[in-house]
This record gives sequence, structure tokens and C-alpha cells, in this order.
Amino acid sequence: QKEVEQDPGPLSVPEGAIVSLNCTYSNSAFQYFMWYRQYSRKGPELLMYTYSSGNKEDGRFTAQVDKSSKYISLFIRDSQPSDSATYLCAMTREGNQFYFGTGTSLTVIP
Amino acid sequence: GAVVSQHPSWVICKSGTSVKIECRSLDFQATTMFWYRQFPKQSLMLMATSNEGSKATYEQGVEKDKFLINHASLTLSTLTVTSAHPEDSSFYICSARSPSRAEAFFGQGTRLTVV
Repeated sequence: QKEVEQDPGPLSVPEGAIVSLNCTYSNSAFQYFMWYRQYSRKGPELLMYTYSSGNKEDGRFTAQVDKSSKYISLFIRDSQPSDSATYLCAMTREGNQFYFGTGTSLTVIP
Repeated sequence: GAVVSQHPSWVICKSGTSVKIECRSLDFQATTMFWYRQFPKQSLMLMATSNEGSKATYEQGVEKDKFLINHASLTLSTLTVTSAHPEDSSFYICSARSPSRAEAFFGQGTRLTVV
């Protein structure tokens, strides 16, 4: 079983839609959870960072962590064409390496 | 967020030559840096983890003598691809983490093409 599972998509939505991206994981020791956005031929850019369970909101983005279910989500409200990218979830425990999902490819259609 | 600069962003080299890629943390001290390789439409594949002042820890299947990693200072790590071959052509990305933060920040990536 992979440490982190993420549906690769592709996901295609109309502009203005709410997007839900998800990852599940198997290691209950993970404490830190991140979402990265990666445009084609660029390095990943950190979008959201969450410690332990709970919600975190930043503008149109909301990250949720449910440690009891080993499930994390990223919601994008009022999606824009500029949100079209690959979204990677990542997680780690203190001082350890990072474990990444395979990435979900998102296209927002104008 | 913190800034990580990776250079060059792209490079073309002849088969058999060596290529050096630099990764710098511009506004924080990176005690740990990670080097990844990414194939088209695939996720990041960790190649090695380097801690400042010590030898890098390579992942299984990654040739230490081919991919030389040096983390000589708290702001600079380098990856040298030695005797490059066409199969080494890929997108290489570094990331850096400071001791005071759990998240990692990525460089822009380097697209290496070996001809």
C-alpha cells in the first residue's frame, strides 16, 4: 500500500465551480500536511500548510485534515482558469522526509 | 513564503559530460535539502536527502557516484550529474527546509536534456 493515495484525475470544471481535491494516507504518525500547486515545467509552490487535524482557510482555498479518517482535502472556491495546474498533497512527521501524492491535474474551463 | 532559487532552469549537454545544478535558499537557512526527479505527468521521485555538513542519504536505486550531492553551506546544495547519458534527461527539482518550519519550499526546477 502506498503511503499517500491521490486520484490523478484529470479533473475538468467550469469557471466559478467549487473544486474538491483529496488524499488519503496510511501512516497515522503524519502530523504536517501540505498542498502544493505545480504549473507545467515549474517547481511546486506551497499553497497551504496544516498541522494536525482541523481546517485552514486562505482566500479561496480551504484545507481540511481529518486524522481519524486519514483523509485530507483542499477546496477551491470560485475557481479560475489560472487555477489550472497539478495539485500535490504532501505530508510528513517531524524531522522526516516528505511523502507526496501522485498529483491531481485540474483544468478550469473559462 | 520562503524563497528557494534553483539554477539553471534548463540545460542541454552532450552525452558524457557533467552538469551541475545549484539550489539556494535565499531568505532562510536550510539545514535539510531534498533532490527530486520528475518524469512527465508523474509525481516527485526523491533521489536524496542532504543535511548541511554531512554526506547525502540516497534513496534505493539512485547511483551515488553518478548523482553527486554537496551541501556545503546552510544556503547552498548542488547536484552534479556526472557522465550524463540521454536516459538522465529529466526535470530535477530541489526543496529546502529550515529547522524552525515543517514545510518545505521548492526551487523552480531544472530541465536537463542530454543529447
